[in-house]
Amino acid sequence: EADIYQTPRYLVIGTGKKITLECSQTMGHDKMYWYQQDPGMELHLIHYSYGVNSTEKGDLSSESTVSRIRTEHFPLTLESARPSHTSQYLCASSGRQGSYEQYFGPGTRLTVT
Amino acid sequence: KNQVEQSPQSLIILEGKNCTLQCNYTVSPFSNLRWYKQDTGRGPVSLTIMTFSENTKSNGRYTATLDADTKQSSLHITASQLSDSASYICVVSDRGSTLGRLYFGRGTQLTVWP
Repeated sequence: EADIYQTPRYLVIGTGKKITLECSQTMGHDKMYWYQQDPGMELHLIHYSYGVNSTEKGDLSSESTVSRIRTEHFPLTLESARPSHTSQYLCASSGRQGSYEQYFGPGTRLTVT
Repeated sequence: KNQVEQSPQSLIILEGKNCTLQCNYTVSPFSNLRWYKQDTGRGPVSLTIMTFSENTKSNGRYTATLDADTKQSSLHITASQLSDSASYICVVSDRGSTLGRLYFGRGTQLTVWP
């Protein structure tokens, strides 16, 4: 079992609210990722980070933002939630140079009403 | 365009039976291919990772094969159990960057009936 955690696991929120999805890992991994996944569809990379103070946008355009102030913490923020943001958000991390393994958190299922 | 296609989209089998899931990819250059198991409402968990030089790898009742020439992979599940019910995702990584860009398939939804 990977040591990567996401909170909350489920969130139902109204349109226009600001939300932050938390992700933390205790493996000391440098690289962290956020993916978005709709039911029956593939995962899409929306943000990634090589390390502290490094953040990049992924392949899928997202209105969310991320920060990486500490190695273990990679929160995702939506300033104004909309129904189109309803999805599952998965956080992942990977470690040492040359390691192919990405470890995923349990995900946050977000519903915006 | 780099793509990963999986078949079948869904599969129902009886407990104790074997099954094989397919993955075709067009990703180039190629670094490695992974199979993940994703339970409903959970994050994916890695089953196997294969590089270019590997053509088979096992993890318990799961055996993955890779043909890098035809760009095909399969995941064979032996003596299925109810707990095998999940989505199985094929993921291919390229060598394009230190990030190891990942291309995800949509998964095969496997249901095992008692």
